[in-house]
Amino acid sequence: KAGVTQTPRYLIKTRGQQVTLSCSPISGHRSVSWYQQTPGQGLQFLFEYFSETQRNKGNFPGRFSGRQFSNSRSEMNVSTLELGDSALYLCASLPHTSGEQFFGPGTRLTVL
Amino acid sequence: QQPVQSPQAVILREGEDAVINCSSSKALYSVHWYRQKHGEAPVFLMILLKGGEQKGHEKISASFNEKKQQSSLYLTASQLSYSGTYFCGTENVAAGKSTFGDGTTLTVKP
Repeated sequence: KAGVTQTPRYLIKTRGQQVTLSCSPISGHRSVSWYQQTPGQGLQFLFEYFSETQRNKGNFPGRFSGRQFSNSRSEMNVSTLELGDSALYLCASLPHTSGEQFFGPGTRLTVL
Repeated sequence: QQPVQSPQAVILREGEDAVINCSSSKALYSVHWYRQKHGEAPVFLMILLKGGEQKGHEKISASFNEKKQQSSLYLTASQLSYSGTYFCGTENVAAGKSTFGDGTTLTVKP
């Protein structure tokens, strides 16, 4: 079974720009969660989608948004990028709405 | 509210044992553990769903004390391959979402 894929793997943007990251979950998994990982901050929960509906949202500003499509693929968007948005963005897929999570390789975003 | 992990870092020699703790202020219904090696994505180790239940993965086991809202990860006879950052993820009844601790960095030396 193919694992979770994320594209792109690396991204360099400048302040003020916007970015869209994509995540394709494991086939059959309907739940996708997004996390931001920075050194010293661990994994910070961004949001979770299940069957195209956002189930939970973390404590991030409205510049961070996401969506999920009918094929369970998910995208997250960050508008008006700030230097502090530089991080590894991980998505994880779950077979249901809880339990073990299968992480993708992440997208490393650098904001200059 | 994210769980608290301790210690933040630990250095071992091959063959030594270690314990990593994870505690939460919220009532939990599951705890899961992951290991992340440098430059890689976190990899699932195990999930604990019942109070006091112990699970095992190779020479790594874990316990979950539902009453104390704590989980501990036990690494016995550590190997070089155990090096990495260990995260606990908790799901609580109220939030219904996974929240991760800040991680414990384990370094195993020859």
